[in-house]
Amino acid sequence: KNQVEQSPQSLIILEGKNCTLQCNYTVSPFSNLRWYKQDTGRGPVSLTIMTFSENTKSNGRYTATLDADTKQSSLHITASQLSDSASYICVVSAENQFYFGTGTSLTVIP
Amino acid sequence: ETGVTQTPRHLVMGMTNKKSLKCEQHLGHNAMYWYKQSAKKPLELMFVYSLEERVENNSVPSRFSPECPNSSHLFLHLHTLQPEDSALYLCASSQELVTSGGYGETQYFGPGTRLLVL
Repeated sequence: KNQVEQSPQSLIILEGKNCTLQCNYTVSPFSNLRWYKQDTGRGPVSLTIMTFSENTKSNGRYTATLDADTKQSSLHITASQLSDSASYICVVSAENQFYFGTGTSLTVIP
Repeated sequence: ETGVTQTPRHLVMGMTNKKSLKCEQHLGHNAMYWYKQSAKKPLELMFVYSLEERVENNSVPSRFSPECPNSSHLFLHLHTLQPEDSALYLCASSQELVTSGGYGETQYFGPGTRLLVL
């Protein structure tokens, strides 16, 4: 069964600290993996996209990694800011479908 | 902003009402999607349109009726909904339909309509 699981479900960190979000998937055949950021009351916005041959991709303070062998991805946020408070969703695509994780809710506190 | 707008942003309706959600994309994309987002659940794909033709309907109850009059507009008509239909309804668009695999298409999401069914 094609699934995407994210952990932790929620996370609270202090402003300025780093954090790492995890995504494990069983989707096959793998096409690509995306990380989205969804602010409260907004739709998801794409942060990074990686294919099978890419194992790291950065977008500012966001760095995503992919291990296609173990079917794991992580999103590392460096020097967190209050505006990073949001839900982060991992999405894995197969040949013609998207599979969404339930997201990690991140709260950054001053 | 992502170039995808949705109205209304919030909607409260009774189970016997008829209402419509509207989505408009200003990106020149050819594919549009309706998703349902419930608390603590993954996004659920409801309908997919490519060049104004419906290409996928994921076993959605008939009380949800989509309409795509042109490639820039997508509607979701609601009729006799149930309280469990309360959720955030998201519209998305992409340049091409997501069947190409490879590097794939990026979907651009609207802000959503928060629906409450009483």
